[in-house]
Parts: sequence; structure tokens; C-alpha cells
Amino acid sequence: EDQVTQSPEALRLQEGESSSLNCSYTVSGLRGLFWYRQDPGKGPEFLFTLYSAGEEKEKERLKATLTKKESFLHITAPKPEDSATYLCAVQASNDYKLSFGAGTTVTVRA
Amino acid sequence: EPEVTQTPSHQVTQMGQEVILRCVPISNHLYFYWYRQILGQKVEFLVSFYNNEISEKSEIFDDQFSVERPDGSNFTLKIRSTKLEDSAMYFCASGITGELFFGEGSRLTVL
Repeated sequence: EDQVTQSPEALRLQEGESSSLNCSYTVSGLRGLFWYRQDPGKGPEFLFTLYSAGEEKEKERLKATLTKKESFLHITAPKPEDSATYLCAVQASNDYKLSFGAGTTVTVRA
Repeated sequence: EPEVTQTPSHQVTQMGQEVILRCVPISNHLYFYWYRQILGQKVEFLVSFYNNEISEKSEIFDDQFSVERPDGSNFTLKIRSTKLEDSAMYFCASGITGELFFGEGSRLTVL
């Protein structure tokens, strides 16, 4: 069974204070690892897909990286509007469903 | 920008009643999903649908649940006899391969 563990559960940052979120995974053959952002009461919003170890993707203040066992989401100089829950999910090579982690809730204070 | 739309946004029902949640996936997508999220918990897979049939379902998706694609655009989730523990946000998602795009969700409250 696919397993996704995210840490920390919650992260409180000052505006401009960079940090990283961790996602460790166990999957029987990785098709892709996905990062989503979820605002309260809303659906997950797609951010990135990573397919192979060593791959990196960037979008504004966010950068995602992938190794064979984990992924990191780096938030550089965050702003209050980056406050959200960030979800990591994996897709196994034998199907297309996503298995999600519990998420990291990031709060950025001005 | 195309998006997945869901209705209703919130439904309150009595235990034992039937509920139908509706979704319009993105038009050229081939794979359709229902997920649910109980308050404070992780997003859980319920069922995937491809080529007009269920391709995979989780243990949660028991005989009380069913899905349909009644026409070329809609995708529905039916819960035949709701229980208190069915209270959750239900998300529809669609994709071609790889990334899935989610709707805003339907909040179901069972009293």
C-alpha cells in the first residue's frame, strides 16, 4: 500500500522567513509525485508534478525537489498569501489515482 | 481556464436519506475520480472511473455508494442511505494522465 508522510504538521513563519516542507513516500514504482495547495474549505489546487529523482520545479516562491524516498517543498521569502495547507501525493506506476499525505499547514505572519 | 464544477456546494440531509452529488469534469479529460475529506483528516480516494466503468475503488466505497456518467458531461456520486460518518467534503477530480484537477467540493452534513 502506498504511504505518504508529511512533516511538520504545521509551520508558522514570519514574512520573508524561508523554510522547507518534507514529504517522504513509499510506493511500488513511482509514476509521479504531486504537490497541491489547499485553502480552507476549498479543493486542492495543483502546483507541481515531479517524475524522477533529481528533478526540480519552480513557481514563484515555491520550489519542489525529488529524491528516491522524499520530496521537499521550499518556500523562499514567503508572504501572507502563501498561507495554506500544502499536500503531497503519489501516483503509482500501475494506476492513476493519487494517494495523499495529511498535509503541512503553513501560516505566514506579516 | 477550464475547471471542474461541483453541485451542490453544501447539502444537509437526514441519516438514511439518499444523496446525489454532481460534477462536471473538464471536457477533454478521460479519468474521473471522487475523493472525500473528513474534517481535519487527509484527502481519501473513493473511486476512479474510466471508459464508462469503475476502474478502481477503495474499501470506503461500499454498496451504499455508486457512480454514474449519465451523459457526456456529468459525473455523479450517489450515497443510497447516508450515515453520520458520511459527513465530509466530497471532491470530484478529473485528468488525462498524471495531474488531477479538483473541484471546489460538496460539503455533506448528515444529521
